[in-house]
Amino acid sequence: NAGVTQTPKFQVLKTGQSMTLQCAQDMNHEYMSWYRQDPGMGLRLIHYSVGAGITDQGEVPNGYNVSRSTTEDFPLRLLSAAPSQTSVYFCASSRDRARGNEQYFGPGTRLTVT
Amino acid sequence: AQKVTQAQTEISVVEKEDVTLDCVYETRDTTYYLFWYKQPPSGELVFLIRRNSFDEQNEISGRYSWNFQKSTSSFNFTITASQVVDSAVYFCALSPLTRNFVFGPGTRLSVLP
Repeated sequence: NAGVTQTPKFQVLKTGQSMTLQCAQDMNHEYMSWYRQDPGMGLRLIHYSVGAGITDQGEVPNGYNVSRSTTEDFPLRLLSAAPSQTSVYFCASSRDRARGNEQYFGPGTRLTVT
Repeated sequence: AQKVTQAQTEISVVEKEDVTLDCVYETRDTTYYLFWYKQPPSGELVFLIRRNSFDEQNEISGRYSWNFQKSTSSFNFTITASQVVDSAVYFCALSPLTRNFVFGPGTRLSVLP
């Protein structure tokens, strides 16, 4: 049981490049989410999904895109990377679409945009 | 609006001291959940506790204890007899029943030997 996995662990991009951060969970969780962590700001929600085919925006969605074609996978796409997107990105999942359940986090992806 | 405040940015204690991490939250929802997560230097986020708004009983788990007071909108976390392995960033989070998580900014705890 791997839990929540994320790839890559580290990534360096040039401004304007695009890339996809991968996230997968093997716990059959309905709810998945993406956060970014910046110093002094805690974790901020980018996008979330309450099930396959259903996604919605969080607090800081601009510059990011998501899709959820399967229960297991929830990739995050950076459309045109900017230095302001330099951050640590965490994917998380929780049991069902009701809020209030604990979330389980992946190991994170450290992204640097130059 | 939902908000979580962790006023202590950084705390340093010497091993075996007790330490309390403060968490104050704001929500107009009557049903909500509160959480604490630990982020050690390795970077992963580890779930510690979940508490619902109708359960104000304090909880103790080993050296960890949590004090939930609805009257002051606080959910404080105490580590008794701290150890070097407790050094981490600790996040308090709020999740109203129909809304997403809101995290506080975190408190960095350093336990010195």
